[in-house]
Amino acid sequence: SQTIHQWPATLVQPVGSPLSLECTVEGTSNPNLYWYRQAAGRGLQLLFYSVGIGQISSEVPQNLSASRPQDRQFILSSKKLLLSDSGFYLCAWSHPPTGPKNYEQYFGPGTRLTVT
Amino acid sequence: DQQVKQNSPSLSVQEGRISILNCDYTNSMFDYFLWYKKYPAEGPTFLISISSIKDKNEDGRFTVFLNKSAKHLSLHIVPSQPGDSAVYFCAASEGNNDMRFGAGTRLTVKP
Repeated sequence: SQTIHQWPATLVQPVGSPLSLECTVEGTSNPNLYWYRQAAGRGLQLLFYSVGIGQISSEVPQNLSASRPQDRQFILSSKKLLLSDSGFYLCAWSHPPTGPKNYEQYFGPGTRLTVT
Repeated sequence: DQQVKQNSPSLSVQEGRISILNCDYTNSMFDYFLWYKKYPAEGPTFLISISSIKDKNEDGRFTVFLNKSAKHLSLHIVPSQPGDSAVYFCAASEGNNDMRFGAGTRLTVKP
């Protein structure tokens, strides 16, 4: 069966510090990978998605970036955090377009980021 | 722009009664719709989905209805149980990669 891991679970970082959140998926190959952010009282905002190693699509302009160095690893980064970067960050995966149930996305446990 | 809207931020129902959660969308190109359930401090979990070629999909206590002409879908939970208390997100997809989520509706089922 497939599992998705995210860490850390919670993070408190000062403004201007760097950020690195990691997500890994087990039990599947060539998944689509996604980073979402849920700000307080708001829905899920898609930040980045990736259909393969080194292939990143950005949905919104921001000071965040994403990388996919390996097939089942997705990293969310920032060089300098802003207060507005606080939120709940979720990684998700879905089957590749040629696979079954390709519309359903499966989410990790999330990272609560507080920028102080 | 918010292509998927859940206009009710919260809903409270009595145990055993029906819960109806609503969702509206603006993009007529969406071809797949999903509902996710989310508990605090956890990632959302997939609940039920419907393709745009259907108008109803049922799975146990959960039924999703799709009205394409009105660009509206709803999730019915019957009978509602206290364990159903969570935030429910409506999502719509155009193709495999582009999924848009609503802001969520917090459902509270009272014993």
